[in-house]
Amino acid sequence: GENVEQHPSTLSVQEGDSAVIKCTYSDSASNYFPWYKQELGKRPQLIIDIRSNVGEKKDQRIAVTLNKTAKHFSLHITETQPEDSAVYFCAAGGSYIPTFGRGTSLIVHP
Amino acid sequence: EAQVTQNPRYLITVTGKKLTVTCSQNMNHEYMSWYRQDPGLGLRQIYYSMNVEVTDKGDVPEGYKVSRKEKRNFPLILESPSPNQTSLYFCASSFSQSNQPQHFGDGTRLSIL
Repeated sequence: GENVEQHPSTLSVQEGDSAVIKCTYSDSASNYFPWYKQELGKRPQLIIDIRSNVGEKKDQRIAVTLNKTAKHFSLHITETQPEDSAVYFCAAGGSYIPTFGRGTSLIVHP
Repeated sequence: EAQVTQNPRYLITVTGKKLTVTCSQNMNHEYMSWYRQDPGLGLRQIYYSMNVEVTDKGDVPEGYKVSRKEKRNFPLILESPSPNQTSLYFCASSFSQSNQPQHFGDGTRLSIL
C-alpha cells in the first residue's frame, strides 16, 4: 500500500511570512494529491489538489508543487494570516485507497 | 445543500455496550469511508466502501463493522466498544475510489469509559 510522510509536524510563522509543508509518497502509481485544512473542532476541508499530469497549481495565496520523479509534493502558503492557523493534511490517491499524512499544525502569530 | 451527516456528534458510553454511528450523504457518491483521528496519528482509515454491498478493511479495522445496504448510508458499528476506541471519527464520501476530493462529515467524538 501507499505510505505518506508529512513534515514538519508543527510549523510556527509570523504573519506575512511564507509557510511550506512537504509530503513524500511511496507508490509511483499514485496520481492524485489533495491538501485538506482542518480548523480546530471542525472537519477537514479540501483547499487545493493536484493531479500527476501537472507540476504546479496555484489558487491565490496557496500553491502546490509536485515532483513525480522524486515522489514528493509540497504546499506553499504566501503572506500568511492568523486565519491560516489550522492543521493541514496531505494525501495521495489514485492507485489505492487514499492515504493521509499525519498532519502539520500551522500557527501564524499576529 | 450537499453534505455528509453524522450522528451522534458526541457520545459517552461504557465498555461493551454496542453502539452505531450513522453516516448519510446526499451527493450520490459511490465511495464512502470511515476514519479515526487521534493526536499525532492523523487520519487513519477504518473501513471503506466502493459501492452498495461492497466494503473492505482500511488500516485499522479491528473492533469495527460497517454495512452498505443503500448508497447514501454507511453506518459504523462498534459491537463491544473498548476504551482504546475513544477517538474522533469522521465519515467521508467521494465520487470514486481514491482520485477525487473527499467530503467529510462534522465528526463524532466518542468516549468509551
